[in-house]
Amino acid sequence: DAGVIQSPRHEVTEMGQEVTLRCKPISGHNSLFWYRQTMMRGLELLIYFNNNVPIDDSGMPEDRFSAKMPNASFSTLKIQPSEPRDSAVYFCASTTISGNTIYFGEGSWLTVV
Amino acid sequence: AQSVTQPDIHITVSEGASLELRCNYSYGATPYLFWYVQSPGQGLQLLLKYFSGDTLVQGIKGFEAEFKRSQSSFNLRKPSVHWSDAAEYFCAVVAGANNLFFGTGTRLTVIP
Repeated sequence: DAGVIQSPRHEVTEMGQEVTLRCKPISGHNSLFWYRQTMMRGLELLIYFNNNVPIDDSGMPEDRFSAKMPNASFSTLKIQPSEPRDSAVYFCASTTISGNTIYFGEGSWLTVV
Repeated sequence: AQSVTQPDIHITVSEGASLELRCNYSYGATPYLFWYVQSPGQGLQLLLKYFSGDTLVQGIKGFEAEFKRSQSSFNLRKPSVHWSDAAEYFCAVVAGANNLFFGTGTRLTVIP
């Protein structure tokens, strides 16, 4: 079975550029999460969706970050403009609303120079 | 408020030795508890989970964990560590609406 699929796996971009990270959740899952992992702050929840609707975006660091989920099988996390401090691993994860086990993608490794 | 504490940032064990990684949680209700493992350059893989019932849960790769409500702990154990177990281990608790709260992780080094 396909797990959570994220793209790109690795991206290096220049400061000021727009970055778009993509996620395809596990089929049938209706909750989707975006996490960020850094050495300094560990794993942080940025935002999560239930049935394509954003439920809690309090973890989104600032207005430069935005996330969308136009349908049940696709979500994006956009950073515009990007800054070096955004360098991190961004994980997408999914589960069912009634379920309790969250499955993670392999992450998008972002470096902003 | 819910939180997870992993007191050991880094642990080094010899291959073949036993392992115990500590995890303490703070949560008002009955917790759902998880252990994830992250190998270098990889995502998070679920090792095991506790929802209810038997307090000793078995996971993949020979790992087990024991839920102790009186100690608010969910420690991860393995009787004999293999070199391939070297990784970062995260304890996590579900706190409402499927929101996972993670500990800061414990990095495991295995020496020959």
